[in-house]
Amino acid sequence: EVQLVESGGGLVKPGGSLRLSCGGSGFSFSNYNMNWVRQAPGKGLEWVSSISSGNSYIYYEDSVKGRFTISRDNSKNSLYLQMNSLRAEDTAVYYCARLSGTGWFDPWGQGTLVTVSS
Amino acid sequence: ENVLTQSPGTLSFSPGERATLSCRATQSVTSNYLAWYQQRPGQTPRLLIHGASTRATGIPDRFSGSGSGTDFTLTISRLEPEDFAVYYCQQYASLPYTFGQGTKLDIK
Repeated sequence: EVQLVESGGGLVKPGGSLRLSCGGSGFSFSNYNMNWVRQAPGKGLEWVSSISSGNSYIYYEDSVKGRFTISRDNSKNSLYLQMNSLRAEDTAVYYCARLSGTGWFDPWGQGTLVTVSS
Repeated sequence: ENVLTQSPGTLSFSPGERATLSCRATQSVTSNYLAWYQQRPGQTPRLLIHGASTRATGIPDRFSGSGSGTDFTLTISRLEPEDFAVYYCQQYASLPYTFGQGTKLDIK
């Protein structure tokens, strides 16, 4: 079964840092581009960042550029999101999602909640 | 940025009825690289449709997608109780990938 499992969420103060992880299983992780997508409480979905299968291409949504860093370790079947200088508006459930076919997101992990509050 | 607008924000139907959801883009979506996702309360998003009209594996045939260019539609032919959820469209033709704000299907 193809599965993605996120971890690392929690409560952090404004200006703080957090590192999210996402483990993939049931598929050849190193062959797929991966993404982070977030969803603020009661709101819609927002793409955050993408990384290509071999780390060659990395993209960010404008509001997180310079603060978030996406990375992966294919030997560990793992995707990461280092989040620095966190703001209240970064509060959200963060999902990792595999980029499949020509670019749709499937599957998605169960999400990990990040709360930025003093 | 290609902004996707889903309207209306909420639709109310009875089980068994036909539902049509709209997604409109500010720029043409190249190669119809548009997907639809379903999100039930407390659950993770689930892929329904990709390429504007191709059902994902395991998705019932009561779900269908259509459209091209800037106007896309998701149709649910006969609503089942489990279909009352939030539906999002997404374009993956250009960065930044963008989602519509979602349409919630409510039980009338």
